[in-house]
Amino acid sequence: RKEVEQDPGPFNVPEGATVAFNCTYSNSASQSFFWYRQDCRKEPKLLMSVYSSGNEDGRFTAQLNRASQYISLLIRDSKLSDSATYLCVVRAGTASKLTFGTGTRLQVTL
Amino acid sequence: DVKVTQSSRYLVKRTGEKVFLECVQDMDHENMFWYRQDPGLGLRLIYFSYDVKMKEKGDIPEGYSVSREKKERFSLILESASTNQTSMYLCASRENSGRIGELFFGEGSRLTVL
Repeated sequence: RKEVEQDPGPFNVPEGATVAFNCTYSNSASQSFFWYRQDCRKEPKLLMSVYSSGNEDGRFTAQLNRASQYISLLIRDSKLSDSATYLCVVRAGTASKLTFGTGTRLQVTL
Repeated sequence: DVKVTQSSRYLVKRTGEKVFLECVQDMDHENMFWYRQDPGLGLRLIYFSYDVKMKEKGDIPEGYSVSREKKERFSLILESASTNQTSMYLCASRENSGRIGELFFGEGSRLTVL
């Protein structure tokens, strides 16, 4: 079983739609969680951290469910510019190592 | 802004050649990382370094070595390139404190081994 699993998509949604991605992780000792965004042929960039109580940043909401070992990302009012691959990232064990999921591709259309 | 610079965007090498991938960061970060990214496999950690002359193996270190002689520079070395090392290589850096999840990536080096 992979340490971090994501549905690869693609998720094709119209502008203005709400879309949600889930990510599951296998290591119950995982301590920190993040969502990164990667545009086509670009490097990944941190989108947001995921806190235990859930957190929001504008149109983006991230949630953590430790009992079921998954994190989620909700995007409201999707924009064309949201089209990208969203990477789930988990930190477990040593402070330095981050484990990346394979990413979920989102395509927002007119 | 943090800047992570990888020396080559595209390289084409032959099987058996020695390959150097260079990475320089300008924010005095202690931690530096080398990942490779392949379709369907995502980013996989090759090596990382948390200080000058220190290195730790990641998940897939076989066939690679690294060098960190100066804080700002972290080099990835393929001693004898093989076709299965054709990939996108991404260097990243991170400070020790602060947002521990925030990796700053370079633009990547796409290596093709023939």
